[in-house]
Amino acid sequence: DQQVKQNSPSLSVQEGRISILNCDYTNSMFDYFLWYKKYPAEGPTFLISISSIKDKNEDGRFTVFLNKSAKHLSLHIVPSQPGDSAVYFCAASDNNDMRFGAGTRLTVKP
Amino acid sequence: DARVTQTPRHKVTEMGQEVTMRCQPILGHNTVFWYRQTMMQGLELLAYFRNRAPLDDSGMPKDRFSAEMPDATLATLKIQPSEPRDSAVYFCASGLGTSGGLSYNEQFFGPGTRLTVL
Repeated sequence: DQQVKQNSPSLSVQEGRISILNCDYTNSMFDYFLWYKKYPAEGPTFLISISSIKDKNEDGRFTVFLNKSAKHLSLHIVPSQPGDSAVYFCAASDNNDMRFGAGTRLTVKP
Repeated sequence: DARVTQTPRHKVTEMGQEVTMRCQPILGHNTVFWYRQTMMQGLELLAYFRNRAPLDDSGMPKDRFSAEMPDATLATLKIQPSEPRDSAVYFCASGLGTSGGLSYNEQFFGPGTRLTVL
């Protein structure tokens, strides 16, 4: 039962360009959404989050957009840097559950 | 430099053996989570504790898995007996929770325990 889906297992972009990572969810009860970044052999680290009362949250080069009607969120990284190469997980939570997507591997080429 | 620690980092065992994974949450955090990462399922929430009390373990196969918090500085995840399908990376995470359930706070993940069951 995949309540949170990241349909692109991998994404490759050129340094300096925009990276857009997408995430879809099915449970309308989710009201808080997070993005985590994971390097090999390390645990995921928190990147950015958004509450369902907002449709955009920005932190430096990272912006998360939430479209509640479409049950879709996206993470934009501008400009992309080689150090951004990692696996990105989106997560969605309500008061009782947190679900993660399967992850998207981002590769930023110099 | 506060961080979540997990031991062991790697564990190879044979089917049927007991496996115990340990986690030390960040001091002061009152919520501890256990996750399992597999290639197919991504990160699955297995169980979580608030103030050492289990709040939800519905994601955990109850017949062989058990999670406990003997004290505020130690969380354990035990598999008995282990099976090859349990092979995965198990992550512990901790955070500060303020409500009865999952809260709007980020979680800090440990480095994970890579379990291989032969």
